[in-house]
Amino acid sequence: GAGVSQSPSNKVTEKGKDVELRCDPISGHTALYWYRQRLGQGLEFLIYFQGNSAPDKSGLPSDRFSAERTGESVSTLTIQRTQQEDSAVYLCASSLGASYIRELFFGEGSRLTVL
Amino acid sequence: EDQVTQSPEALRLQEGESSSLNCSYTVSGLRGLFWYRQDPGKGPEFLFTLYSAGEEKEKERLKATLTKKESFLHITAPKPEDSATYLCAVFKSGGSYIPTFGRGTSLIVHP
Repeated sequence: GAGVSQSPSNKVTEKGKDVELRCDPISGHTALYWYRQRLGQGLEFLIYFQGNSAPDKSGLPSDRFSAERTGESVSTLTIQRTQQEDSAVYLCASSLGASYIRELFFGEGSRLTVL
Repeated sequence: EDQVTQSPEALRLQEGESSSLNCSYTVSGLRGLFWYRQDPGKGPEFLFTLYSAGEEKEKERLKATLTKKESFLHITAPKPEDSATYLCAVFKSGGSYIPTFGRGTSLIVHP
């Protein structure tokens, strides 16, 4: 498809388990962003990639959160030892690149529920 | 501290009742302002980009305007299908490529 693809769309896990969330950006988009959106809240920035490097990881809430991007394409957000406060929708977005300001295109999100 | 504030938090309109949503910002050097629409359970959908004060963009019943301190999203004769949360986001100067999002305005249009 032509849009940003995220998987899984829904994930229910038990407290303490690790989860991986995947994002396939739009082809040719070099910038990739991860945001978290708790129920009824705004978008909370987590991490930004330009190509395969992450110049800004300032939003990652703890060392349980990590992300990587390979081949200037797919990105994976990993949450280790999940906690109930990690329950949220995790949104991925991509854009053409950071050399100029362009709009972000979002996926539909991965809804994570930690029991 | 850079801030993006949207008002009102929630807005209820009757079908056909025009209104405006506000996005005010305090950033040092605006490089661009985006408007998005988000439906429940969906990711934000891009609407407009504004780059400089005085700029205006239109799409169907929506019109976005920009001044040096705020942006307005005008909704003319809204329909129930315009019900959604509207988000604004700003890019500031200084090398940051991380847009700052407001918390959104939840719009409900009653038939």
